[in-house]
Amino acid sequence: EIVLTQSPGTLSLSPGERATLSCRASESVSRSYLAWYQQKPGQAPRLLIYGASSRATGIPDRFSGSGSGTDFTLTISRLEPEDFAFYYCQQYDRSPYTFGQGTKLEIK
Amino acid sequence: QVQLVESGGGVVQPGRSLRLSCAASGFTFNRNGMHWVRQAPGKGLEWVAAISYDETRKYYADSVKGRFTISRDNSKNTLYLQMNSLRAEDTAVYYCAKDPGFWSGHFDYWGQGTLVTVSS
Repeated sequence: EIVLTQSPGTLSLSPGERATLSCRASESVSRSYLAWYQQKPGQAPRLLIYGASSRATGIPDRFSGSGSGTDFTLTISRLEPEDFAFYYCQQYDRSPYTFGQGTKLEIK
Repeated sequence: QVQLVESGGGVVQPGRSLRLSCAASGFTFNRNGMHWVRQAPGKGLEWVAAISYDETRKYYADSVKGRFTISRDNSKNTLYLQMNSLRAEDTAVYYCAKDPGFWSGHFDYWGQGTLVTVSS
């Protein structure tokens, strides 16, 4: 199975700053079948990015995704208070559809 | 608007069975693949199982293969997860998740989840 490793485990930033979250795959994710989700405590995850770089419906343009092959990045250009949450990457190139272990984005 | 409502969770003893349901509305259910994803307390997300729009394809995580069965009833707009031989490590919130197409493998809408606790 494809193992996804996210870094850092915790990212401490202030509102207005730029956040860069990394997701590295153990083998190439073909066709950029990589998604990013945001999850807040007590809530279900929400799709942010699919196809490595396409924003899901209703997602603000401060969220962007990039990368291909084994290295992917989620960037939040200017952090809003509501952006502090957990973030997960997921590959859907092939079953089993695996997730990274998550990055916690916390307020500094 | 898309709604996914899970039910059927609860406390169950190791070795016993449980069936989860997910009632879907707000989209054409028989045109989308569907998935179950779980999250153990304080842990990350784990994909569990998937089913194609027409039930011809089913996939499972190795951790549940042979014990869990995913199914759907398109006439009732409902997804199911039959869980047998439950173990303590199956304790988690189980989410029903919608595939954006016939089959892509990612999830554009999620239910709020139902908690399954396996304990004696």
